Amino acid sequence: GQQLNQSPQSMFIQEGEDVSMNCTSSSIFNTWLWYKQDPGEGPVLLIALYKAGELTSNGRLTAQFGITRKDSFLNISASIPSDVGIYFCAGPNYGGSQGNLIFGKGTKLSVKP
Amino acid sequence: GAGVSQTPSNKVTEKGKYVELRCDPISGHTALYWYRQSLGQGPEFLIYFQGTGAADDSGLPNDRFFAVRPEGSVSTLKIQRTERGDSAVYLCASSIGHQNTEAFFGQGTRLTVV
Repeated sequence: GQQLNQSPQSMFIQEGEDVSMNCTSSSIFNTWLWYKQDPGEGPVLLIALYKAGELTSNGRLTAQFGITRKDSFLNISASIPSDVGIYFCAGPNYGGSQGNLIFGKGTKLSVKP
Repeated sequence: GAGVSQTPSNKVTEKGKYVELRCDPISGHTALYWYRQSLGQGPEFLIYFQGTGAADDSGLPNDRFFAVRPEGSVSTLKIQRTERGDSAVYLCASSIGHQNTEAFFGQGTRLTVV
């Protein structure tokens, strides 16, 4: 079945650093979504991508829809402490309804000790 | 309320018992979704309602799981004969239409089966 692989699984950030993470799949996606989840909360949609090659920003966040349609990237510039959390990529499950999303396992951002 | 509300926030139940989890979507949202999230994993789709009807229930793991939305607003996820493997956070989301990209998630119900 479809799977989304996120890399890295976890990373430490120092305030002011830029952060990059990615999401890959063995199958093609027509939509890529990036969510952030804080402890004890539900995921919050950050960026939605609908077109191959699309580059979309939301404040300090920038995401790109890979041209192969099998990957997507999320960058965070000049990170701040509140960027800590788990970032998930997601996309529509092939053959399912529009409401049926597959999520990756997440990239966990923590503060560098 | 302003957001998706889920009750209870935590539920501990004994193996074999029946549980109901409630979701109050954002007012006016016609689409409602249930997901399940296990520790260290991303959310996993269970079921999607458009109005009162289940448009896609392909994610329900077995017939012990059932969900209803009788008036097209509040939804209840029902789990019969709970098993320890059912322990997870159950997330509800709603959106104004059928486009899940605009969905807003609740805080979830943490279910623990002992």
